[in-house]
Amino acid sequence: AQSVSQHNHHVILSEAASLELGCNYSYGGTVNLFWYVQYPGQHLQLLLKYFSGDPLVKGIKGFEAEFIKSKFSFNLRKPSVQWSDTAEYFCAVNTGGGADGLTFGKGTHLIIQP
Amino acid sequence: DVKVTQSSRYLVKRTGEKVFLECVQDMDHENMFWYRQDPGLGLRLIYFSYDVKMKEKGDIPEGYSVSREKKERFSLILESASTNQTSMYLCASSRGFRYEQYFGPGTRLTVT
Repeated sequence: AQSVSQHNHHVILSEAASLELGCNYSYGGTVNLFWYVQYPGQHLQLLLKYFSGDPLVKGIKGFEAEFIKSKFSFNLRKPSVQWSDTAEYFCAVNTGGGADGLTFGKGTHLIIQP
Repeated sequence: DVKVTQSSRYLVKRTGEKVFLECVQDMDHENMFWYRQDPGLGLRLIYFSYDVKMKEKGDIPEGYSVSREKKERFSLILESASTNQTSMYLCASSRGFRYEQYFGPGTRLTVT
């Protein structure tokens, strides 16, 4: 079974700082990779996803992520964060050819200070 | 606009009660999922379904069962609720396994 590790459980940044949230997965085969975000009081929603092709994927609200196969990593980045980015961020994976749900990391609680 | 709805936002039940959590999606999606979300543990997959009357166990199915009699509706059943099932329960649906999952607002269940 696959697993997902998110390196930071709590991150505090000031507005305009750059963001990088780490995500590593353990699975030797083809994977589909996702980053989801949960803003306070809101539904979980998709930020971006990677299935194949260009390993640098762009998502909503200026976020991007890079898939590095050799490192089993899918880190999330944003060059300049805003107060409205305060949320919980989840990395998730499912197997590329299989029929299964998502395996989530434990989440990173991001707080942006104005 | 895609929509996944869950029958209750908050639910309080007693130990030993049978509990039904309902989820409905209006997107004609094939796949539906139930997760539980706990602080510090992220989301964990309980069960999923890829077709009417079809179901598969996820990572933590013990103590739960599911029912999918119609394509749009997926129910999670706690046969005999226990305090360790106090949690936030999230339902999701997707067009297929390689597609985005859309999540409902969640049901916060407290078992006393």
